[in-house]
Amino acid sequence: QVQLVQSGAEVKKPGASVKVSCKASGYTFTNYYLHWVRQAPGQGLEWMGIINPSGGSTTYAQKFQGRVTMTRDTSTSTVYMELSSLRSEDTAVYYCARVYDSSGQNDYWGQGTLVTVSS
Amino acid sequence: SYELTQPLSVSVALGQTARITCGGNNIGNKNVHWYQQKPGQAPVLVIYRDTNRPSGIPERFSGSNSGNTATLTISRAQAGDEADYYCQVWDSSTVVFGGGTKLTVL
Repeated sequence: QVQLVQSGAEVKKPGASVKVSCKASGYTFTNYYLHWVRQAPGQGLEWMGIINPSGGSTTYAQKFQGRVTMTRDTSTSTVYMELSSLRSEDTAVYYCARVYDSSGQNDYWGQGTLVTVSS
Repeated sequence: SYELTQPLSVSVALGQTARITCGGNNIGNKNVHWYQQKPGQAPVLVIYRDTNRPSGIPERFSGSNSGNTATLTISRAQAGDEADYYCQVWDSSTVVFGGGTKLTVL
């Protein structure tokens, strides 16, 4: 069965960076793109970007360009999302989600990773 | 940038029909997806490409999309349908989510 398993919760200080992992299993890793989506406490879903696990190409939401880096390791079927220059507003649950096809829908989601930014 | 507008909240009586709208400029020309999210859980896809239900999603969930409005319809609403619902589109190589609608089942 398809699974996306994310790394555990993180607490970071303002100005630091965080790297969240998302390990895929149950399907051919390089056949499906992955989104990263975040959700601040009590707020809605916010798209951060997309990565193609096959070639590693990425597209980032304009809001995060310059601060976010998405990478992948095909040997472990894992994608990573690193966010730098953290501020309190980055406190959120971060999700990875598989992209089913070119229409962009997300058929499987990770369990989410809470990142808390606090001094 | 493209924007999607959803009502903040919708209420429905148990067993009745709930309709959640998602407004956007010419949204009828785009593929709209809908997600259900319960507290503390990841979102779940309930409708994709306007009208299609993933396996395991009850037939009570249906969707439509025309003009400037897409609609998620939940028939015979149950207490377990109480959740936040989000619409989503892919536009100009970016993903856009609506602000979300809290569905309350009375």
